[in-house]
Order: sequence, then structure tokens, then C-alpha cells
Amino acid sequence: SQQGEEDPQALSIQEGENATMNCSYKTSINNLQWYRQNSGRGLVHLILIRSNEREKHSGRLRVTLDTSKKSSSLLITASRAADTASYFCATDINAGGTSYGKLTFGQGTILTVHP
Amino acid sequence: EAGVAQSPRYKIIEKRQSVAFWCNPISGHATLYWYQQILGQGPKLLIQFQNNGVVDDSQLPKDRFSAERLKGVDSTLKIQPAKLEDSAVYLCASSLRSLGKLSTEAFFGQGTRLTVV
Repeated sequence: SQQGEEDPQALSIQEGENATMNCSYKTSINNLQWYRQNSGRGLVHLILIRSNEREKHSGRLRVTLDTSKKSSSLLITASRAADTASYFCATDINAGGTSYGKLTFGQGTILTVHP
Repeated sequence: EAGVAQSPRYKIIEKRQSVAFWCNPISGHATLYWYQQILGQGPKLLIQFQNNGVVDDSQLPKDRFSAERLKGVDSTLKIQPAKLEDSAVYLCASSLRSLGKLSTEAFFGQGTRLTVV
């Protein structure tokens, strides 16, 4: 079964607007990563946030992590048509204090940015 | 820096046939993953190697799927015999993560699109 669940499943916005995607997970984690997948291409890493961090920025990306709610959000500001893609969260599960480096992906959010 | 290389890019086979996929990770990356991504779904981890040892293969259908990573570098994933439900994209990824350390950024190959007819 998938560890992460993204919400919404699909998001459609206009260029220049902000896009927010959420990820909820079930078990304790070491870190959470966000990836982007363009049509017909492989996954590309966007950002990694560790369990002891609450917020992280990278360019137009802002990620938050709330371990008490077991949730994370990805905000893309001033979106562009080129941001059109599927976005996935992936969790590195904390198994009794140990990390096996196992990355478990959610089902993803399909983002469409209209020019 | 060269990325993760996978071959072939596309493969069409009939059910009950066998198929093999090859992956060459980024040089120096100790961790290698094989994922199966069915259309419209997120990637599902099939097997994870740390150097040439298996860390996790809990979701690998071992009656038909096998994988190896000889000498801790290249890896092959085999399906024998294939079923219609094996139609998917098979993604290979690698990361620098060392044994006992936290996961780091994973780099993905372009994947192999398998169609079983």
C-alpha cells in the first residue's frame, strides 16, 4: 500500500497563480521528498525536508512539514506553463529509529498550468 | 555528470514470455532502486539494493520477478513469465545513501515502458 496520499488528485490553474499540493502519510518518517514527473519523462527531485525541519524553500518552491499531523505541503508560486506535470511526495520511513533509505511514493497530483 | 541509464526504452512482448531490463546507476551511488509505475499511479518500489545486497524486496512478486546487482554497480530486473498486468513503466533510480544513513536525493532513469499483449 502507498504511504503517502496527495491531495488534490488534479489541479488546474492559470499562469501566475500559486499552486498548493498536500501530502499525508501514515507512519513516522526520517524525511520527505517531492518529485516532479513531466509527461513521458522520468522523475526529477525537487526538494527534501528532514523530520526536524518545518519549512524549506528552493526558488519558487516552498515546502512545509507538520510531523504532528503527518502532512506536508508543496507551494509553487507564480506558476508557469512549464510547471505542468505530476508531483509526487516520497517518504523515507523511520522504522524503529532506523532508516533503510526506502522511498515510498504517493499517487501524485496532476498539475495543469494554463498559459 | 552522466545520469542513470536504462535500456531498452520500450519493449512489447506477449504474455508468458520473458523480458529483462538493464540499469546503470550514477557512478559511486551505493543505493539502487527498481520501481514499477502503472499508468495513472505513483511508483511502487519493487526492490532496493545497498551495494550488491538486497535491503527491501517485500513488494517484488518473487514467483515471476527477479533482480540482481552484480559487483554493486549495474542491475538487471527480469520478468518470467510476463502477465498482462505487468504492463507498466519500470524505473531505476540510484542515490548516494550509505548503509545506515538517511535517504538522500534519488536520481531516476528515463524508464522502460513495457507492454504485455
